[in-house]
Amino acid sequence: GNSVTQMEGPVTLSEEAFLTINCTYTATGYPSLFWYVQYPGEGLQLLLKATKADDKGSNKGFEATYRKETTSFHLEKGSVQVSDSAVYFCALLDYMYSGGGADGLTFGKGTHLIIQP
Amino acid sequence: EAQVTQNPRYLITVTGKKLTVTCSQNMNHEYMSWYRQDPGLGLRQIYYSMNVEVTDKGDVPEGYKVSRKEKRNFPLILESPSPNQTSLYFCASSLRGGASSYGYTFGSGTRLTVV
Repeated sequence: GNSVTQMEGPVTLSEEAFLTINCTYTATGYPSLFWYVQYPGEGLQLLLKATKADDKGSNKGFEATYRKETTSFHLEKGSVQVSDSAVYFCALLDYMYSGGGADGLTFGKGTHLIIQP
Repeated sequence: EAQVTQNPRYLITVTGKKLTVTCSQNMNHEYMSWYRQDPGLGLRQIYYSMNVEVTDKGDVPEGYKVSRKEKRNFPLILESPSPNQTSLYFCASSLRGGASSYGYTFGSGTRLTVV
């Protein structure tokens, strides 16, 4: 079956530090990959996505590149701010998933990011 | 404003008392889904619906029911809630499900406590 593995944290950084949150996946088909962000007390918001190998998704200074050879989709930001404190979820949507049960996004367990001033 | 609306935001109930969490979207999306979020487990899919009158089980459907009589609404029903259903629940919708890379729009969540 499909799965997503990401560092769980919490990850604590100082403001303006460089951020990397690792995400690796296993999939039976040809997935699209996503990063979602959940701010305190809110639902999940789509941060960025990539639909095929070597695509780079970017938004709000965050970037992630779809690496098929390493089955990875690591999230990066050059200079984080306190307002980036949130939980980040890596997720995949597998075009050819045909297993019983779920049909939809497969999420990692989330990485809690804390940015200190 | 395009959105997914869940109600209530917070609910405390007692074991065995039937409850319904409502979900409504105003984007004419075909696909809707329910997830529960638990510490250390991330988000797990409960049920999903590809379109009106089409629903199917996700990864953790036991103890839950859903219905999709209209395109915009996808209520989650707990016929006899138990304490292990205490969780944070999210409804999500997408233009289409399955073989699509459309992003999902999530509701703000319903925090349910069963005592």
